[in-house]
Amino acid sequence: QVHLVQSGAEVKKPGASVKVSCKTSGYTFTNYAIQWVRQAPGQGLQWMGWINTGDGHTKYSQNFQGRVTFTRDTSATTVYMEMSSLRDDDSAVFFCARGSVTLDYWGQGTLVTVSS
Amino acid sequence: ELMLTQSPGTLSLSPGERATLSCRASQSVNSRYLGWYQQKPGQAPRLLIFAASSRATGIPDRFSGSGSGTDFTLTISRLEPEDFAVYYCQQYGNSLYTFGQGTKLEIK
Repeated sequence: QVHLVQSGAEVKKPGASVKVSCKTSGYTFTNYAIQWVRQAPGQGLQWMGWINTGDGHTKYSQNFQGRVTFTRDTSATTVYMEMSSLRDDDSAVFFCARGSVTLDYWGQGTLVTVSS
Repeated sequence: ELMLTQSPGTLSLSPGERATLSCRASQSVNSRYLGWYQQKPGQAPRLLIFAASSRATGIPDRFSGSGSGTDFTLTISRLEPEDFAVYYCQQYGNSLYTFGQGTKLEIK
């Protein structure tokens, strides 16, 4: 059974960085890309980018280019999303999701709160 | 940059009624790369439809997708109480992904 389990909620100060993990199980890790999606409070879904879990290649949305980094640990079947220079308006729920075209399995989401 | 516009923003219907949700793209989309998702409060989105018209595993047959080019539709034939949620369309093209802004389906 496929599972994506994300790390717990974080509270950060403006200017700090946050690293969210997405632990996968139940399938061959390197066969599927992992996408990251942000959802601000009361807002819609915003695609951030994806990582090819096979070769580590990444693609970032222009909205996040330069401020986010995706990495993966194939031995741990885990993907990481790190966002730097956090601002108040970065407070959101971050989701990881499996897929290269449509996203068939999702993590439960990680709430990141940015507050001074 | 390709944009997806969903309409209506909010749809108020009663259980048992038919729901028709629209997703319009600013340029032509490959149907194989068009999906629909359902999201309930406090939950992650759930894939309903992939490749514009194929139901994902475990999705009831009251959900159907159709369309091509720039116009796509999600239809729920007879609304059940658990279907009231927010629905998003999503497309993939040129290594980029886009979501529509969502349609909220609420109980009338």
